[in-house]
Amino acid sequence: EDQVTQSPEALRLQEGESSSLNCSYTVSGLRGLFWYRQDPGKGPEFLFTLYSAGEEKEKERLKATLTKKESFLHITAPKPEDSATYLCAVQAVMGGSYIPTFGRGTSLIVHP
Amino acid sequence: DTEVTQTPKHLVMGMTNKKSLKCEQHMGHRAMYWYKQKAKKPPELMFVYSYEKLSINESVPSRFSPECPNSSLLNLHLHALQPEDSALYLCASSQLRRGSGEKTGNTIYFGEGSWLTVV
Repeated sequence: EDQVTQSPEALRLQEGESSSLNCSYTVSGLRGLFWYRQDPGKGPEFLFTLYSAGEEKEKERLKATLTKKESFLHITAPKPEDSATYLCAVQAVMGGSYIPTFGRGTSLIVHP
Repeated sequence: DTEVTQTPKHLVMGMTNKKSLKCEQHMGHRAMYWYKQKAKKPPELMFVYSYEKLSINESVPSRFSPECPNSSLLNLHLHALQPEDSALYLCASSQLRRGSGEKTGNTIYFGEGSWLTVV
């Protein structure tokens, strides 16, 4: 059974204090690992897709990396507006379609 | 444009009411999804439509009835709901690739959600 575990569950940072979020996974045949950002009361916003070990993607202060067992979301010099829940998902095949399995998320709060 | 539009944004309904949630996308995606999300939990898959046909129903109670009138629209009809059904309902869409020969999956794009409160 595919599993996704995110850590830590919650993270508090000071503005400018860089850190990393972890997503470890077990899946039979990775078809993609996805990172989303979710603000309270809103739908998840797509950030990155990673398909193979060694791949990296960047967007502003965020950088996602992928190994065969885990992915990291690095946040460099975060700002208060980066506060959100970050969801990781791996894609599995179900009923002929590709369906993501989500982790429980990491709630990030960045203090000014 | 990666926009999935959901209406209404907020809905309050009684347990004997009948209401519908609506979703629309114009990205040419042929897979559409309904998810349910409770506070501090990840999205939970309810239904998947592929080429306007229901392909996955995750054992959802019959008081939730999905409908896909065409490739751009997805509805969720609600009837005789319970207070525990109160949640954020998310619609999503993606390109559709099927078959074991495909090496990569497809990014799923979510709407802003419809907040449902059952009283």
